[in-house]
Amino acid sequence: EAQVTQNPRYLITVTGKKLTVTCSQNMNHEYMSWYRQDPGLGLRQIYYSMNVEVTDKGDVPEGYKVSRKEKRNFPLILESPSPNQTSLYFCASSLGGYSYNEQFFGPGTRLTVL
Amino acid sequence: AQSVTQLDSHVSVSEGTPVLLRCNYSSSYSPSLFWYVQHPNKGLQLLLKYTSAATLVKGINGFEAEFKKSETSFHLTKPSAHMSDAAEYFCVVSANTGNQFYFGTGTSLTVIP
Repeated sequence: EAQVTQNPRYLITVTGKKLTVTCSQNMNHEYMSWYRQDPGLGLRQIYYSMNVEVTDKGDVPEGYKVSRKEKRNFPLILESPSPNQTSLYFCASSLGGYSYNEQFFGPGTRLTVL
Repeated sequence: AQSVTQLDSHVSVSEGTPVLLRCNYSSSYSPSLFWYVQHPNKGLQLLLKYTSAATLVKGINGFEAEFKKSETSFHLTKPSAHMSDAAEYFCVVSANTGNQFYFGTGTSLTVIP
């Protein structure tokens, strides 16, 4: 089944404890992206990747890192999480970096930073 | 610069009546526009997209949207609401570079039996 998977689905952590949220897609998509969803703000793009070893900042990249060493994986790293990073996170992928390509979304990761 | 404004944060309709969810966009380039739906505790699913072909776009589950360049609008409609349509709806714009996507703040649709 074609899908985007994220792990973990739920995570409660404490301020300053490094964490990684994994994202994997099995559709051979070139483009991958991370979003955070906050009430009243919709989804905001954190980072995106046009292909392996190519990443770029979205609108809200502060406090996050990403890497794209393999085509299928695009982990999101929080080196020192803070409470304002408590949010619902979505990973997405699409066929290529063209505006008309729809994105396929993962199920989301709900992160709470205490 | 690209941006999206969803004009209503909440819309309530009775089952069987028409649905109208409004979206205005701003784009420096010829945009691609999307509507996504998010059911409670679920991921996002594409309803439909506009990519400079026909201005009236038909999507899944009876939804459609019309691209109006003169009004910079991309409103989502459905002739008859169903209980299963209750969800959060997001309008999304992307410039023709395709790198970044900008979401509206969402419209929560309630369907009253």
